[in-house]
Amino acid sequence: EAGVAQSPRYKIIEKRQSVAFWCNPISGHATLYWYQQILGQGPKLLIQFQNNGVVDDSQLPKDRFSAERLKGVDSTLKIQPAKLEDSAVYLCASSLFAGLSSGANVLTFGAGSRLTVL
Amino acid sequence: DAKTTQPNSMESNEEEPVHLPCNHSTISGTDYIHWYRQLPSQGPEYVIHGLTSNVNNRMASLAIAEDRKSSTLILHRATLRDAAVYYCILREISNFGNEKLTFGTGTRLTIIP
Repeated sequence: EAGVAQSPRYKIIEKRQSVAFWCNPISGHATLYWYQQILGQGPKLLIQFQNNGVVDDSQLPKDRFSAERLKGVDSTLKIQPAKLEDSAVYLCASSLFAGLSSGANVLTFGAGSRLTVL
Repeated sequence: DAKTTQPNSMESNEEEPVHLPCNHSTISGTDYIHWYRQLPSQGPEYVIHGLTSNVNNRMASLAIAEDRKSSTLILHRATLRDAAVYYCILREISNFGNEKLTFGTGTRLTIIP
């Protein structure tokens, strides 16, 4: 099966500019996640969608970050305006929701979009 | 968030078994133990998961302590392609009712040829 597709792979912008990242999850996967990974750290969850609804955005800096998942498939993550500390890899992941009791909700990650803010 | 503790780094010789430890003393009864690994310049990939019993798959084995406060990921015969950062994660149910995987900083595994 095709994996999780992300674009662009690399983006360099200046602070206060805006940027958008796109993610196409595995077909049929109901749950989509955006993670932020700063160099040397583990991935940090920004937002989680179940179909096209948000189930957890508690760690999303809502003053500058936004995300949407139209029609429950593709998703975009936007940053506006960008700050230096937003330099990171933005990882998209998807999973076939298997139910809370199964423990088997395996995430498949894309390769990520590396953002450098100058 | 439930916490896990892993060594920052480990080294192993090629073609030898590797035991990657993880402590999770605050684990609750419904938390599953998941392991992911991240190869250089790639997103994390699923390795294995378990609840109480030891688990085996084609990639690795997971040994879970009887009190569930620790676990060990076992790579039976490490190759150079196993060099990666390994994350031990507790799959929790968040306050919002959704599944949540919270990554720590993981263990960087170096394989010595």
